[in-house]
This record gives sequence, C-alpha cells and structure tokens, in this order.
Amino acid sequence: RKEVEQDPGPFNVPEGATVAFNCTYSNSASQSFFWYRQDCRKEPKLLMSVYSSGNEDGRFTAQLNRASQYISLLIRDSKLSDSATYLCVVNFNTGGFKTIFGAGTRLFVKA
Amino acid sequence: DGGITQSPKYLFRKEGQNVTLSCEQNLNHDAMYWYRQDPGQGLRLIYYSQIVNDFQKGDIAEGYSVSREKKESFPLTVTSAQKNPTAFYLCASPSYEQYFGPGTRLTVT
Repeated sequence: RKEVEQDPGPFNVPEGATVAFNCTYSNSASQSFFWYRQDCRKEPKLLMSVYSSGNEDGRFTAQLNRASQYISLLIRDSKLSDSATYLCVVNFNTGGFKTIFGAGTRLFVKA
Repeated sequence: DGGITQSPKYLFRKEGQNVTLSCEQNLNHDAMYWYRQDPGQGLRLIYYSQIVNDFQKGDIAEGYSVSREKKESFPLTVTSAQKNPTAFYLCASPSYEQYFGPGTRLTVT
C-alpha cells in the first residue's frame, strides 16, 4: 500500500462546478499536511496547508480527519484557471523527518 | 529573494554519459531533496540530505549519486546505470513547506 494515495483522475468538470479531492495516508505518525498545485511542465507550488480544524482560502476548503487518516480539498465555483494537477503532501517523523507526495489528481475545468 | 535555483532548465545527453544536475539554495535550510517526475506521474524521491555531509537514499536511488559538501548545494549525478533517465527532475528544500526549484528536464537519447 502506498503511503499517500489520491483519487485517480482526471476530473473533468464544467466551469462553476464544485469538485472534491480526497487523499489517504497510512502512517499515523504523520504530522503536517498540504495541498500543492502543479501546472503542466512546472514545479509544484503550495496551495494551502491543512489544519486539524479545517481551513478555507477563498474558493478552496481543506479538511483533515486524523481518525480516518484522510485529507480533502474542495474547490467551489471552479474556474478555467483551476485546471492543474493537485498533489497531496504528508510530512511525518519516524526516526527522521520525511515528506511524501501523492501521485496527484488531474483536474480539467471546461467552459 | 531567497529560493532554489536549478540549472540548466533543459538538458540533452547521449545514452551512456553521466550528467550532473545543479541545485543551489539560499534559504539557509539544512535539508534538501531530489525528486523525479515522469509524465502523468507523481513525485518520487531519489535522494535527500538532512544536513551537510550526510545524505540518504530515497525510493528510487539506483543509478543516481549525490554529494552535500556545502549547505547551499546538492548536485545530482545521473549515471549511465540509470535505465530510464529521461524525466523531469525537481530539487526541493523544506522548512514547514517544501520549496521547489524550477526543475530540469533531462532527455537522454
């Protein structure tokens, strides 16, 4: 089993739609969680951190469920510019700090 | 501005040649990472270094080598032993989040 697993993509949605991505992690020692966005042929960039209480940044909402070991990202009112790959990232410390990236979920927003 | 630089952006090599990818950071971070990304795939960890003069193998270290003689620099050598070297290589350095360089796209023919 992979340490971090994401929904298989791609997701194809119309503009204005709401779309949700899930990500599960296997290591209960996981300490911090993030969503990154990666555009085609570019480096990943931090979209938002994920806090235990859940957090929102404009149209984006991130949730963390430690008991079930998953995080989610909700995008409301999708824009064409949201088309990208979204990477789930988990940091954990088991005798050494380590960062694990999910394989990413591709989102296509169409007009 | 603090950040990570990678050079060159595009690199072409013939099969059988070793090639070294540069990664420099001026963030004063201790840790540095090398990832590989293949088309439509996620990031896979090649090597990482938590401190100067120390580095550890990641999940796909075979065919690669690194050095960490200076805090600012973490070069990656893709050796001829790497069977499928054509890929997008990303250098990163974490504090709370991962900071990425712009990447080097290596093509081996």
